[in-house]
Amino acid sequence: EAQVTQNPRYLITVTGKKLTVTCSQNMNHEYMSWYRQDPGLGLRQIYYSMNVEVTDKGDVPEGYKVSRKEKRNFPLILESPSPNQTSLYFCASAPAQGNTGELFFGEGSRLTVL
Amino acid sequence: AQKVTQAQTEISVVEKEDVTLDCVYETRDTTYYLFWYKQPPSGELVFLIRRNSFDEQNEISGRYSWNFQKSTSSFNFTITASQVVDSAVYFCALSEGGDKIIFGKGTRLHILP
Repeated sequence: EAQVTQNPRYLITVTGKKLTVTCSQNMNHEYMSWYRQDPGLGLRQIYYSMNVEVTDKGDVPEGYKVSRKEKRNFPLILESPSPNQTSLYFCASAPAQGNTGELFFGEGSRLTVL
Repeated sequence: AQKVTQAQTEISVVEKEDVTLDCVYETRDTTYYLFWYKQPPSGELVFLIRRNSFDEQNEISGRYSWNFQKSTSSFNFTITASQVVDSAVYFCALSEGGDKIIFGKGTRLHILP
């Protein structure tokens, strides 16, 4: 089954404790992206990647890191999480460049930083 | 800079009524893409439609239709004969071709039985 898989789905952590949210897709997609969803703010793009070893900042990259060492994986790293990073996070992928087709989204990861 | 405005934060209609969700976008590019996504109460995000800036033809898919007007920079979404299953948050999105995709803040649609 074609899918984008995120882990963990739910996480409660404390300020400053490094964490990684993994994202993996099995569709051989070139494009991958991370979004955060907050009430009243919609979906905001954090980082995106057009291909292996190519990543770019979205609109809200501060406090996050990403890497794209393999085509299928695009982990989101919070080196020192803060309460303002409490949010619902979505990973997405697309066959080629993100604007040429539909985005396939993961189920979301709800992160709470205390 | 690109921007997407969904002025309707929340809409409630009675089942079987028609409802239109508004989307106004801003871009300086002549080539761009517009999208609509649906987020039902279960939380997943579902792609509904993509439109490029050179194709202003309206599109109909069952009870869903989309009206793209470059003159008013709008890409509105109409649900005809709404059903309770249409209750969701709907997002409009814009891409200028640089692989950044900007979403609007979403419109929460309640279909009342």
